[in-house]
Amino acid sequence: GENVEQHPSTLSVQEGDSAVIKCTYSDSASNYFPWYKQELGKRPQLIIDIRSNVGEKKDQRIAVTLNKTAKHFSLHITETQPEDSAVYFCAASIRGRGGSEKLVFGKGMKLTVNP
Amino acid sequence: NAGVTQTPKFRVLKTGQSMTLLCAQDMNHEYMYWYRQDPGMGLRLIHYSVGEGTTAKGEVPDGYNVSRLKKQNFLLGLESAAPSQTSVYFCASQPHSGRVGQGSYNEQFFGPGTRLTVL
Repeated sequence: GENVEQHPSTLSVQEGDSAVIKCTYSDSASNYFPWYKQELGKRPQLIIDIRSNVGEKKDQRIAVTLNKTAKHFSLHITETQPEDSAVYFCAASIRGRGGSEKLVFGKGMKLTVNP
Repeated sequence: NAGVTQTPKFRVLKTGQSMTLLCAQDMNHEYMYWYRQDPGMGLRLIHYSVGEGTTAKGEVPDGYNVSRLKKQNFLLGLESAAPSQTSVYFCASQPHSGRVGQGSYNEQFFGPGTRLTVL
């Protein structure tokens, strides 16, 4: 079935450093790639997303890049801050019933930003 | 708007007991989803619904049933709970493709989660 691989599974950085999370997907028809942030004990929340007709998208300190040929996409966080500490999930869309799009999630990456 | 809400927040069951988790959304979203989250496993789709009266299986549907009798509610049932169903359950809703409402196109909005323990 459809699969999304995410790595690394954990990352520890010093405040101010950059962090990069990489994901690969298997379904060439996937056209939507969101990133969710989940703080401890909280619900996942969307932080940025990208569609397949765009190669890069930026929002302040976070950016996402997409390589459709290689079927991989990455999240870049610059100038990390302690409040960036969380688990980050990538996901890729697959077509579901009734025109809906289901999401297949990666297993998550725990980011720790040390002050 | 309350967004997506889930009831209950916590529950402890004994093996073989049954229960129903309720998800409600007030954003008039067409699509609703039930996920389970286990350590190191990410979010796995159990069942989903593309509209009132319709449901479909996801990645890990065994042992669960769902119903969507009203557009705003999506119920997840466990008929005979097993320890393997100990997990955190998240519900999510999503607007219909092409209809711009709250949030960006295709964004899924998650509820706060239900922590279920089966002894």
